[in-house]
Amino acid sequence: DTAVSQTPKYLVTQMGNDKSIKCEQNLGHDTMYWYKQDSKKFLKIMFSYNNKELIINETVPNRFSPKSPDKAHLNLHINSLELGDSAVYFCASSPRIGGNQPQHFGDGTRLSIL
Amino acid sequence: SQKIEQNSEALNIQEGKTATLTCNYTNYSPAYLQWYRQDPGRGPVFLLLIRENEKEKRKERLKVTFDTTLKQSLFHITASQPADSATYLCAPSPYAGNMLTFGGGTRLMVKP
Repeated sequence: DTAVSQTPKYLVTQMGNDKSIKCEQNLGHDTMYWYKQDSKKFLKIMFSYNNKELIINETVPNRFSPKSPDKAHLNLHINSLELGDSAVYFCASSPRIGGNQPQHFGDGTRLSIL
Repeated sequence: SQKIEQNSEALNIQEGKTATLTCNYTNYSPAYLQWYRQDPGRGPVFLLLIRENEKEKRKERLKVTFDTTLKQSLFHITASQPADSATYLCAPSPYAGNMLTFGGGTRLMVKP
């Protein structure tokens, strides 16, 4: 059983389109995250939700809107896609919020903007 | 500003040797530091967590040290194997309520 699953694995789309990425965790964790990993492989936090509430919103354009319908799901919707949005997006979860909590990652969604 | 530095050049070692990877940080006082492994096309996988009051942590062939004076963590893999080849990421965090900040990772290549 996959602990943190993301769909789709690959997403190729045109500039200006709107797209969504879904994430589900079956670990019973309270906290979920979205990260962006760019071409230089730096992994940067975008958002964090704890028990469906937004905790962290780093300097991310408001074209990115996360939604957590329940504790096990955290989806990411992106409006008006731009070339610079091309990256791998990772979803992760941890038992609770905090730097002492190991994080479990999905295998990423590779977004390519044409 | 906070800076986390890992050697961006790949580390190539022979099978059976000990691999040592470095994580340096500046303008930062982490209370915890985590290490992750990332394989191509996969998400990072948690390996070890060390607290600021712990000098060393071990798990099987892995060992992590944390020197708050030098502002450095070292990650060792003893008796390395080709299967250990991957990118290793360090992620310090200042206190329990805060998020992880990841370094850029170091790619390890273990040759048979």
